[in-house]
Amino acid sequence: QVQLQESGPGLVKPSQTLSLTCTVSGGSISSGSYYWSWIRQPAGKGLEWIGRIYTSGSTNYNPSLKSRVTISVDTSKNQFSLKLSSVTAADTAVYYCARVSIVVPIAGAFDIWGQGTMVTVSS
Amino acid sequence: QSVLTQPPSVSGAPGQRVTISCTGSSSNIGAGYDVHWYQQLPGTAPKLLIYGNSNRPSGVPDRFSGSKSGTSASLAITGLQAEDEADYYCQSYDSSLSGSNYVFGTGTKVTVL
Repeated sequence: QVQLQESGPGLVKPSQTLSLTCTVSGGSISSGSYYWSWIRQPAGKGLEWIGRIYTSGSTNYNPSLKSRVTISVDTSKNQFSLKLSSVTAADTAVYYCARVSIVVPIAGAFDIWGQGTMVTVSS
Repeated sequence: QSVLTQPPSVSGAPGQRVTISCTGSSSNIGAGYDVHWYQQLPGTAPKLLIYGNSNRPSGVPDRFSGSKSGTSASLAITGLQAEDEADYYCQSYDSSLSGSNYVFGTGTKVTVL
């Protein structure tokens, strides 16, 4: 059974770069049937999609965050990563990694999620 | 900046039926993109509840059902149980002049009275 696990610093200073990694276990990140995504949720608020990456390295980002986001993949480690630059307090949130199927009829659904990791932006 | 609108809260007594609406527009649900639903229990990650508008993943009780029409979708919970108390989110895909991305609803808190 595929599982996702986020890891990275829980505290980042303003103006610095937030870096997180998602490790995929129980399956290969190189499967051609999925995108791999990052989603975040500020405390008490809703979900916001950040971006996605395909095994080939092709990426798509939320237009509202595009200028600050980089998502990369390391197939040898079965991991994908998120970098968010120039962070402010508004970037404080729980960050989730998730798998997105491209196979109908579940295409476009986030079918597997990591447990989430809290990232606080503060000096 | 959610583009899918849900009621903030709904409530019902055990055994009752509740519905949650998800209203979008011509650039997302109305464009034909599928709607998916998630259940988020307190302190946990969201869990896929309904995919492709009306399909349940294995293990999801048939008390949960989804539908889509025009620019809106709905999630129904019949035979409401205490364990259904959670936040629920709809999700779809949006494509407009400003770009394309996955979008989530504003979220609905279900309270079991």
